[in-house]
Amino acid sequence: AFQLTQSPSSLSASVGDRITITCRASQGITSALAWYQQKPGKSPKLLISDASYLESGVPSRFSGSGSGTDFTLTISSLHPEDFATYYCQQFNTYPYTFGQGTKLEIK
Amino acid sequence: QVHLQESGPGLVEPSGTLSLSCTVSGASIRSENWWSWVRQPPGKGLEWIGEIHHGGNTNYHPSLDSRVSISVDTSKNEFSLTLTSVTAADTAVYYCARDRPGVSAYDYWGPGILVTVSS
Repeated sequence: AFQLTQSPSSLSASVGDRITITCRASQGITSALAWYQQKPGKSPKLLISDASYLESGVPSRFSGSGSGTDFTLTISSLHPEDFATYYCQQFNTYPYTFGQGTKLEIK
Repeated sequence: QVHLQESGPGLVEPSGTLSLSCTVSGASIRSENWWSWVRQPPGKGLEWIGEIHHGGNTNYHPSLDSRVSISVDTSKNEFSLTLTSVTAADTAVYYCARDRPGVSAYDYWGPGILVTVSS
């Protein structure tokens, strides 16, 4: 069965740090992957589409890369408002699964 | 600006039927988008439920396929979710979302509605 594995599940970092979150697919999904940010009590917010395209209005410190099976979301310099939970989602194979989520916390 | 808004009962009895609607404003449900439902149990991650195109084509999560149905009402510019034989495991925040044609992403989401399955 298709698997989408996101890591780490939690991450502690400081304002100004550079962090990377990884999403690995059990089979190739070309570039059919999105990244979202979710804050408590809110719906997910689209950050990156098609693995690497920054959504309009999203700060340039966010970037996505990868294709095939391995993908990364990078935040180049953490701001206080970036502490949230991040999810990847694949759109290559039904069902359109989400990664397990990465909770980014302030150190 | 596109807005999606979920509506429906916040409490459903076990073995009953969960019925939610998603009203779309600022966009036509007749567009080439697919319209989706996603849920999130309290304190847990996101789970894709299924999707519908205005032409009536649907895709569902295999684990829910025997219990789920998504329909569209173009006259009301809304789409709906029906989930039968619910249990406590179906307690979650339910979101409706819109995909962007030709792009791998959900670009607009509703605020979500908490549905609790309990007697």
